[in-house]
Amino acid sequence: GESVGLHLPTLSVQEGDNSIINCAYSNSASDYFIWYKQESGKGPQFIIDIRSNMDKRQGQRVTVLLNKTVKHLSLQIAATQPGDSAVYFCAEITGSSNTGKLIFGQGTTLQVKP
Amino acid sequence: EPEVTQTPSHQVTQMGQEVILRCVPISNHLYFYWYRQILGQKVEFLVSFYNNEISEKSEIFDDQFSVERPDGSNFTLKIRSTKLEDSAMYFCASSRQGVYEQYFGPGTRLTVT
Repeated sequence: GESVGLHLPTLSVQEGDNSIINCAYSNSASDYFIWYKQESGKGPQFIIDIRSNMDKRQGQRVTVLLNKTVKHLSLQIAATQPGDSAVYFCAEITGSSNTGKLIFGQGTTLQVKP
Repeated sequence: EPEVTQTPSHQVTQMGQEVILRCVPISNHLYFYWYRQILGQKVEFLVSFYNNEISEKSEIFDDQFSVERPDGSNFTLKIRSTKLEDSAMYFCASSRQGVYEQYFGPGTRLTVT
């Protein structure tokens, strides 16, 4: 079935520490994943994506890891800053979909303590 | 940096009224989408649109909903007869080549009273 979920609703970290936000998905046919950041009152902001033929992708201060064996996705944020405080969503597109239907998870709230 | 824009930012309407939510996707993008987010819940797919036709629509996107690209820049979502449960944030998104890297607008908050 279609199900994307995150392990924790809220994650609190100290400024400067690294953050790891996790996501589990259930559809083994999913072949594309995106992480979005949503600040209060704003739309989802694209952070980084990864395709199923990769297991790691790095961006600026962010890394996404994909473990297809256990259907697990994570977002690592290095040196977390107060501006990183937001809700983070993972989303997927299944391999059978060429129409762009993104399936979103519930979201994890990241709180950065100064 | 190009952005998806949406108007209005907040729309209040009475139950049974028609509303049109407007979006201007990023100019060289070819794929367009509408999503919605009920307060406190996850973002839900409504419809995708490419080459002037709907590619896919969800169960939420019933006969009360329609989309249109009336010109080369706008993409609209119309709800013909709003219901209380249509109250939500509505997000427009677009992507350039294929269905990946979807960029979202700031949303329109629709309140149905």
